[in-house]
Amino acid sequence: RKEVEQDPGPFNVPEGATVAFNCTYSNSASQSFFWYRQDCRKEPKLLMSVYSSGNEDGRFTAQLNRASQYISLLIRDSKLSDSATYLCVVRFWGSQGNLIFGKGTKLSVKP
Amino acid sequence: NAGVTQTPKFRVLKTGQSMTLLCAQDMNHEYMYWYRQDPGMGLRLIHYSVGEGTTAKGEVPDGYNVSRLKKQNFLLGLESAAPSQTSVYFCASSRALNEKLFFGSGTQLSVL
Repeated sequence: RKEVEQDPGPFNVPEGATVAFNCTYSNSASQSFFWYRQDCRKEPKLLMSVYSSGNEDGRFTAQLNRASQYISLLIRDSKLSDSATYLCVVRFWGSQGNLIFGKGTKLSVKP
Repeated sequence: NAGVTQTPKFRVLKTGQSMTLLCAQDMNHEYMYWYRQDPGMGLRLIHYSVGEGTTAKGEVPDGYNVSRLKKQNFLLGLESAAPSQTSVYFCASSRALNEKLFFGSGTQLSVL
């Protein structure tokens, strides 16, 4: 069974804090990994892909640990505008069209 | 640049009624998808298409049908709506299989 598990939160943090989300996936036959962001009552949007060597995009850092089957997202210097739900997404080998979405981790950044 | 457009945005149906959700993309993408999102659950794939004239089942296809007669359009049909189909439906498209998904703004469907 292909599953993607996330801590649902909510994570309530003050502005400027560093926050980390983890995501575990059940099937080692995984192909690619992503973090999407979803604002309340809006559509998901790609935040960043996750590469084996880890990757950074401004205040956001994504890491992949294939041996332990988990993905992480680190947000530094949190902004109010970072408040959203963060979705961990995995594509598994042989799944053709199917990305498996985690249920999401809700982040609330407070002034 | 419209991207992915879904219509309608909201709809209320009675059990047994039928309806079609429309999805249009103007990015010349080959891949198109229909997802549903329910509270406490991740997005789940209903059906998808890898090109004009082709469709395939996703994770939760029962009770839905789709058609992709034109590359830019992907239609999702409910022949006989059930309360279990109350959900938010998202259409998405991508240029290729492993590339970024572009989502429409969603359709809130309630079946009474």
